Amino acid sequence: AQSVSQHNHHVILSEAASLELGCNYSYGGTVNLFWYVQYPGQHLQLLLKYFSGDPLVKGIKGFEAEFIKSKFSFNLRKPSVQWSDTAEYFCAVNVKRSSNTGKLIFGQGTTLQVKP
Amino acid sequence: DAGVIQSPRHEVTEMGQEVTLRCKPISGHDYLFWYRQTMMRGLELLIYFNNNVPIDDSGMPEDRFSAKMPNASFSTLKIQPSEPRDSAVYFCASTSTGSSYGYTFGSGTRLTVV
Repeated sequence: AQSVSQHNHHVILSEAASLELGCNYSYGGTVNLFWYVQYPGQHLQLLLKYFSGDPLVKGIKGFEAEFIKSKFSFNLRKPSVQWSDTAEYFCAVNVKRSSNTGKLIFGQGTTLQVKP
Repeated sequence: DAGVIQSPRHEVTEMGQEVTLRCKPISGHDYLFWYRQTMMRGLELLIYFNNNVPIDDSGMPEDRFSAKMPNASFSTLKIQPSEPRDSAVYFCASTSTGSSYGYTFGSGTRLTVV
């Protein structure tokens, strides 16, 4: 079965520190990749997505992610975090099949706490 | 567009009672998903529909849970009878084939069963 693994469950950073959150998936075929953010008490919002083309994708609020096919990874990065980035981050994968079900598989999430 | 609309936002009920959660997807979206979020298990996919037809309900915990989508603009998730372990935030999300499956989530229903 396909799965998504996020390496860090809880990350604590100071403001202006750089961020990298790991995400690996287990599927050998073609995938769409997503990062979602959930601010405290709110619903999930799309941060960025990769479908094809340039493996380095840029999202909102200065976030970016790099798809490395050989490593089955889609790590999220931000050069300088802000206190307002405190949230939970979810990596998700949609497996492209002939039936193209549209089903997204989510990782377990990483809680980011940014200290002012 | 108003986005995915869920109701109620909060629900507190007693064990054994029936609970119905509601969702209105974005107009034109042909997929609808129900997720449950808890601290212990994270985000769990319960069931999803395509063109109002249930496609995969393997995530539904047990027979106490049921979901329907009578038309393209409305879905319900029902728990009968409810139990304290059902306490969670339930999210509805929708997407369309043309959007390459970027989901739009509703604000969720926080369910507390006492």
